[in-house]
Amino acid sequence: QSALTQPASVSGSPGQSITISCTGTSSDVGGYNYVSWYQQHPGKAPKVMIYDVSNRPSGVSNRFSGSKSGNTASLTISGLQAEDEGDYYCSSYTSSSTLVFGGGTKVTVL
Amino acid sequence: EVQLLESGGGLVQPGGSLRLSCAASGFTFSSHAMSWVRQAPGKGLEWVSAISGGAGSTCYADSVKGRFTISRDNSKNTLYLQMNRLRAEDTAVYYCAQDKNDIAGATGFDYWGQGTLVTVSS
Repeated sequence: QSALTQPASVSGSPGQSITISCTGTSSDVGGYNYVSWYQQHPGKAPKVMIYDVSNRPSGVSNRFSGSKSGNTASLTISGLQAEDEGDYYCSSYTSSSTLVFGGGTKVTVL
Repeated sequence: EVQLLESGGGLVQPGGSLRLSCAASGFTFSSHAMSWVRQAPGKGLEWVSAISGGAGSTCYADSVKGRFTISRDNSKNTLYLQMNRLRAEDTAVYYCAQDKNDIAGATGFDYWGQGTLVTVSS
């Protein structure tokens, strides 16, 4: 199972919006609504930000939103803040009943 | 409060074995599938294995199939990963993670442990 494709890095100024893409195939992202997004700060465990494509867990800021079109899922962070810096990973359930992650995107707040 | 606490990591020689444990609390353990996810130093996340709530279904990444075995003891609220024939490329922080569902495979994770480091080196 190949990793999902994410941009290596995305940056933005405070207050701006950024979008991270996550491209898979019809056997994973395009075939199921089990796409999640995780934020990871250095030395820390990942934290779920979005699950099932567009659902936000309680306690996660509404500045984070998710969507999907075809084989590509997206995470948008609006009103970018310094604390949003970190690594972001997408994941998807697959037709083999396994799970695949994206390669990760480093978000930098300029 | 959901808590996941991994243990059992350490230094092991290539070809050796190690057993990781993950003690869970704060939720109905048997109602959730559980997974192991690893992260090599400076690298991204890699899903390793999943087990259904009742332990009737397991699945593995191709990179560990035939070498690693996932299991759980619902009476002890504990998840395990038996790792055999370890290789240098298995060096990573290993996280246990609670799936929000209980289906065959892994759909996504609500909670993660803090991880335990496994180093495979001579």
